[in-house]
Amino acid sequence: EVQLVESGGGLVQPGGSLRLSCAASGFAFSRDWMDWVRQAPGKGLEWVANTNQDGSERYYVDSVKGRFTISRDNAKNSLYLQMNSLSAEDTAVYYCARNRGWFSFDSWGQGTLVTVSS
Amino acid sequence: QSALTQPPSASGSPGQSVTISCTGTSSDVGGYNYVSWYQQHPGKAPKLMIYEVSKRPSGVPDRFSGSKSGNTASLTVSGLQAEDEAFYYCSSYGGSRVFGGGTKLTVL
Repeated sequence: EVQLVESGGGLVQPGGSLRLSCAASGFAFSRDWMDWVRQAPGKGLEWVANTNQDGSERYYVDSVKGRFTISRDNAKNSLYLQMNSLSAEDTAVYYCARNRGWFSFDSWGQGTLVTVSS
Repeated sequence: QSALTQPPSASGSPGQSVTISCTGTSSDVGGYNYVSWYQQHPGKAPKLMIYEVSKRPSGVPDRFSGSKSGNTASLTVSGLQAEDEAFYYCSSYGGSRVFGGGTKLTVL
């Protein structure tokens, strides 16, 4: 069974940093693109970033470029999102998702809440 | 990056059918047969219901079906059941990595 478990969310002050983790199991993690998708309170889904199988390609939504870094450790079956210079607009539940290709996500974690507030 | 356009709400009575639309452009929905639909219950993670316009992942009831015409994709839920009440989001491969704004489906 595919499992994705996010961790690392919490309350952070504006301008602060946070690192999210996603532990994957039940599938060949190193063979798949992996993505982060977020959802602000009461809002819709927003794609944030993704990375290819070996981490050599990384793509970001414009609003997080230069502030967020996606990475992965295939030896640990883990996906990460380093988030710097956080603002209130980054407050959201962050999901990691397995990308089955063509911008389609067949497995999602339960999400981790990031709240940016003073 | 513009989101795909979905109606904010849809509704139907148990046993009825309801269709939710997702309108994009020739650069996304109209240009590729890679439209997906997700179901999200409150407080839960999204669940893939339809991929590649009309394919269902294992375990998704055949009451859920997808189609596309031009720049508009559609999700049809037949034989509505109480548990179908949820938010539904579309996505499409294309120039922008965006989702639809979401549609709240209410079962009356």
